[in-house]
Amino acid sequence: NAGVTQTPKFQVLKTGQSMTLQCAQDMNHNSMYWYRQDPGMGLRLIYYSASEGTTDKGEVPNGYNVSRLNKREFSLRLESAAPSQTSVYFCASNVATGDFYEQYFGPGTRLTVT
Amino acid sequence: QKEVEQNSGPLSVPEGAIASLNCTYSDRGSQSFFWYRQYSGKSPELIMSIYSNGDKEDGRFTAQLNKASQYVSLLIRDSQPSDSATYLCAVSSGNTGKLIFGQGTTLQVKP
Repeated sequence: NAGVTQTPKFQVLKTGQSMTLQCAQDMNHNSMYWYRQDPGMGLRLIYYSASEGTTDKGEVPNGYNVSRLNKREFSLRLESAAPSQTSVYFCASNVATGDFYEQYFGPGTRLTVT
Repeated sequence: QKEVEQNSGPLSVPEGAIASLNCTYSDRGSQSFFWYRQYSGKSPELIMSIYSNGDKEDGRFTAQLNKASQYVSLLIRDSQPSDSATYLCAVSSGNTGKLIFGQGTTLQVKP
């Protein structure tokens, strides 16, 4: 049971390049999330998927797209990277605890856009 | 705009002391409250969750929730140098599971 996994761990892009960040969970969770974390700040939600086949925007969706490929996988795509997207990206999934949920995070992808 | 506020610190305490971290939130409809610990260069790790008013204890950690004052806190007893990290407060409302995070409080425990 690996929990939440993310690839790659590190990436450097030039402005205008595209890339896809991969996330997978093996815990059979329905809901998955993408956050970004900038220095000295908490995490901000980019997109989330409440279940397979559904996605919704979070607080900072501009410049990103997502795909919920199946229950396990939730990918984040940058179509044309910008320096403002330099950040650490975390994927997370939710486990239900009675009437509530608890969220667990992957190890993160550190992205630099030059 | 729903907000979660924390003092960014750093909060410095001597080893063995009680560390007190505080968080306020703006959305009165918030239902779930979490504390995450994040070591430098690592991902957030869930250490406490609390859903009803009052105290919840787990080992050296106690979470306190006061919904009327829109305030949640984390107490760490017998602080250890290994507790030195950034502590993130997160709040959720509704059933989407979406979290709103504070900016985090950096805790330094000095031997």
